[in-house]
Amino acid sequence: EIVLTQSPGTLSLSPGERATLSCRASRSVSTYLVWYQQKPGQAPRLLMYGASDRATGIPDRFSGSGSGTDFTLTISRLEPEDFAVYYCQHYGSSSWTFGQGTKVEI
Amino acid sequence: QVQLVESGGGVVQPGRSLRLSCAASGFPFGTFVMHWVRQAPGKGLEWVALMSFDGTNTYHADAVKGRFTISRDNSRNTLYLQMNNLRAEDTAVYYCARAIVGAKPRIDYWGQGTLVTVSS
Repeated sequence: EIVLTQSPGTLSLSPGERATLSCRASRSVSTYLVWYQQKPGQAPRLLMYGASDRATGIPDRFSGSGSGTDFTLTISRLEPEDFAVYYCQHYGSSSWTFGQGTKVEI
Repeated sequence: QVQLVESGGGVVQPGRSLRLSCAASGFPFGTFVMHWVRQAPGKGLEWVALMSFDGTNTYHADAVKGRFTISRDNSRNTLYLQMNNLRAEDTAVYYCARAIVGAKPRIDYWGQGTLVTVSS
């Protein structure tokens, strides 16, 4: 089973700053990597899929990159609504795995 | 618009059973893979189970294998999760979710979740 490790656990930044979140897979997942955003009390929201494709309605300040084992989610300029927890996720043939999450806080 | 509405959560004693339902609307339910994902209080997301669009293939996480069963009724546009022999560690918000499969798989819609609390 593939394990996804996200870092850092918490990222403390200010609005307007750049956020760089990492997700590392225990073995290659090609580009089968998805990112979700979750705010307190809400369901997760799809951000990125296929490692670098933005979901519908996601602003272009969000970008994803990587392939194989190392992936990055970048938020170019943090807006107040971007402070949330971000999860990466991999699709396997018979299971789906989530990373443990990175909290982006003010 | 796509809607997924979970129900059936509540407080249950350890060892007992519970069945969750997820009513889907706004899309052709019978053509989509569906998932259950859970989140324990203050913790991260944990995938629980998935079922193919026609119900012929199911997969369950090791943590629930043999105790939980995912199923669906495409005539009623409803997804189910039968949970037996519940344990304290099954306490979580349970989300129903729709998946896109193919070249770039992802979960594109989530319900709002239903809380299951396992406690004596």
